[in-house]
Amino acid sequence: GENVEQHPSTLSVQEGDSAVIKCTYSDSASNYFPWYKQELGKRPQLIIDIRSNVGEKKDQRIAVTLNKTAKHFSLHITETQPEDSAVYFCAASLYNNNDMRFGAGTRLTVKP
Amino acid sequence: DTGVSQNPRHKITKRGQNVTFRCDPISEHNRLYWYRQTLGQGPEFLTYFQNEAQLEKSRLLSDRFSAERPKGSFSTLEIQRTEQGDSAMYLCASSSGGLAGERNEQFFGPGTRLTVL
Repeated sequence: GENVEQHPSTLSVQEGDSAVIKCTYSDSASNYFPWYKQELGKRPQLIIDIRSNVGEKKDQRIAVTLNKTAKHFSLHITETQPEDSAVYFCAASLYNNNDMRFGAGTRLTVKP
Repeated sequence: DTGVSQNPRHKITKRGQNVTFRCDPISEHNRLYWYRQTLGQGPEFLTYFQNEAQLEKSRLLSDRFSAERPKGSFSTLEIQRTEQGDSAMYLCASSSGGLAGERNEQFFGPGTRLTVL
């Protein structure tokens, strides 16, 4: 089955700096890679996703890159703000498959 | 509220007791998922329904766990003979199924936090 590893487990950046979170996956058949943000005490919420037919996707200050050959994908947050502080989870699955596997999460702290 | 709802939000029980949680998905969503999340970890997939049919079960789901979705709307997750290791946040999510060209975004509920004493 799919195994997703996520690094780093914690990340602290200064406001305005960029943050990068990396994930690797094991199942080469996976083709859907969402990223979820979970604020303290709240539910996970999708912030961006990418399908394997695309190498990069951008939405304002966040972007995701995918390297299918190397089986890794990354989340990039530019111009970080204190409200970006949360736990971020990557995940991988087949697009219509529902056995979505999540990484262990990265706790991002943005210092004002 | 048109989002996914879960009840109860918190449950404290003694070891050996049975507990049941309920999830009400977004009304037009035909897919429903249960996850378990422990502190510092990502959600772990437990099981998934398409309408009333339970199509996948993780090997994490021991025979003490059972889930139902009898009418293809709300779902219940029951844990029998609870153990301290069952203490976790139980998350429910729903999606519209990711039809051709449509993102299969899973919308999460607020979770039920279970504490087994």
